[in-house]
Amino acid sequence: EAQVTQNPRYLITVTGKKLTVTCSQNMNHEYMSWYRQDPGLGLRQIYYSMNVEVTDKGDVPEGYKVSRKEKRNFPLILESPSPNQTSLYFCASSFRQGHQPQHFGDGTRLSIL
Amino acid sequence: AQSVTQLDSQVPVFEEAPVELRCNYSSSVSVYLFWYVQYPNQGLQLLLKYLSGSTLVKGINGFEAEFNKSQTSFHLRKPSVHISDTAEYFCAVSEGDDKIIFGKGTRLHILP
Repeated sequence: EAQVTQNPRYLITVTGKKLTVTCSQNMNHEYMSWYRQDPGLGLRQIYYSMNVEVTDKGDVPEGYKVSRKEKRNFPLILESPSPNQTSLYFCASSFRQGHQPQHFGDGTRLSIL
Repeated sequence: AQSVTQLDSQVPVFEEAPVELRCNYSSSVSVYLFWYVQYPNQGLQLLLKYLSGSTLVKGINGFEAEFNKSQTSFHLRKPSVHISDTAEYFCAVSEGDDKIIFGKGTRLHILP
């Protein structure tokens, strides 16, 4: 089954404690992306990757890091989380072309206390 | 630069009534347009897309959307809604590169 898998689904943690949210896709997609969803703001792109070892900043990259060492995986790293990073996070993937629809994971709800 | 405006943040509608969710975009070039649906506690899934050709696009679950280039709109419609259509709906636009912009979403509330 084609899918994008995120882990964990839920996480409550404290300010400053490094965390990683994993994302994996099994569709051989070149393009992967991270979004955060906040009430009234819709989805905002954090980082995206067009292929292995190629990553670029989205609209709200501050406080986040990503890596793309393998085609299937695109982890999101919060080196020193802060309360304003409390949000619902989605990973998505698609084929390279912009007219291809994105496939989304089920989301990760992060609470930073 | 491209942008997307969803004119209504929430739309209440009675069950079995028709609904229209509005979406306007701005872009200086040709665009590809999408509607995604997000059911409670789930990720987004594609409802329908416009790439080229017929301006009336049919999607899953009885939804359809019409691309209007002169009005730069891509409104989503369904002739008769069901309680299971309760969800948040996102309009999105791409100029064909690797950038896709999402609207802020419209919550559809189905009233019994």
